[in-house]
Amino acid sequence: EVHLVESGGGLVKPGGSLRLSCGASGFTFSPYSMNWVRQAPGKGLEWVSSISSSVKYIYYADSMKGRFTISRDNAKNSLYLQMNSLRADDTAVYYCARGGYEEGFDSWGQGTLVTVSS
Amino acid sequence: QSVLTQPPSASGTPGQRVTISCSGRSSNIGTNYVYWYQQVPGTAPRLLIFRNNQRPSGVPDRFSGSKSGTSASLAISGLRSEDEADYYCAAWDDSLGGLWVFGGGTKLTVL
Repeated sequence: EVHLVESGGGLVKPGGSLRLSCGASGFTFSPYSMNWVRQAPGKGLEWVSSISSSVKYIYYADSMKGRFTISRDNAKNSLYLQMNSLRADDTAVYYCARGGYEEGFDSWGQGTLVTVSS
Repeated sequence: QSVLTQPPSASGTPGQRVTISCSGRSSNIGTNYVYWYQQVPGTAPRLLIFRNNQRPSGVPDRFSGSKSGTSASLAISGLRSEDEADYYCAAWDDSLGGLWVFGGGTKLTVL
């Protein structure tokens, strides 16, 4: 069974940094594109970033470019999101999701809450 | 404001058929696949439809997707109480170097 577990969320002050992790199990991690999607309280889904299996292709939503960095370690079956210069409007549940263009985001983690507040 | 446009709400009674629309443009729905996700409040999203009209294993055939031009629809037939959830459409957008875009979501109420 596919299992994705996010960690690293918490309370951070505006301007601060946080690193999210997503541990994958139950499938062969390396061939899959991986993604981060967030959801602000009471709001809809917002795509954050995607990384291809070989790390050749990396994409970011405009509002995250220059502040967020996605990475992966295929040997550790892990996905990461380094978030810098955090703002109040980055407050959201951050989900890790497997998949890409052919299959969609076919598996999701339970999410980790990031709260940016002074 | 979301790139893909969905109605904020929809409703139906048990057994009915309901449809949820999703409108985009040539750079996203017009040239790429459409995906649909279901999210029961308090839980993670779940993939319902991929490649416009394909269902992952485990998704009942009561759920179906279609696409025409720059619009897409999700249809749910034989509506059940457990279908009450938020539904999101999504697509890859070729503009700005490539990005994923989501609709704003449609809250489905089963009356």
